[in-house]
Amino acid sequence: GAGVSQSPSNKVTEKGKDVELRCDPISGHTALYWYRQSLGQGLEFLIYFQGNSAPDKSGLPSDRFSAERTGGSVSTLTIQRTQQEDSAVYLCASSQPSTSGTYEQYFGPGTRLTVT
Amino acid sequence: QQPVQSPQAVILREGEDAVINCSSSKALYSVHWYRQKHGEAPVFLMILLKGGEQKGHDKISASFNEKKQQSSLYLTASQLSYSGTYFCGTEIRDDKIIFGKGTRLHILP
Repeated sequence: GAGVSQSPSNKVTEKGKDVELRCDPISGHTALYWYRQSLGQGLEFLIYFQGNSAPDKSGLPSDRFSAERTGGSVSTLTIQRTQQEDSAVYLCASSQPSTSGTYEQYFGPGTRLTVT
Repeated sequence: QQPVQSPQAVILREGEDAVINCSSSKALYSVHWYRQKHGEAPVFLMILLKGGEQKGHDKISASFNEKKQQSSLYLTASQLSYSGTYFCGTEIRDDKIIFGKGTRLHILP
């Protein structure tokens, strides 16, 4: 079946503009994660959705960042008033718990955001 | 809360062994290992649950010492295809995975 897809693959925006990044998880996966990866850096956790539970927003770096997940499927990460330090690759991952309670995350190809 | 990985980078010749360590300041429920090749998305390697289990496939294996809150990834007789950045992710039983900064592994022919 299809994997995790993200759009756009690349986004160049001017400082101060708002951007929306989209993630389509694997069908049936209840968990969805957003991460940010700056050049040569690790995976920075941003936000986590699990089923119908309230999302874990503890990783969002500022109130300019927000995310929603509609109908338990597609998710949109919105960055308002973009700053140059927001430039990074934004990765989305989805997972489905196994009977043992463990799971692996399937990552999308990412959206490369460049703020000029 | 972010796990600490060591070393930050490793350069090996094909056929040599490597160990990548991951440690946490928190009690862990599970440890996840992923590999990311340049320009690609991270790919799952394995999950280890608390209980001190060890897992492996091919010549890549890992151990998890829950008392020490540490995990180690072992790469035996490394191949060129093993090159990439290895990330450990730790879970403190809330299904949220926090990843370390990664260990860059470069295999020379």
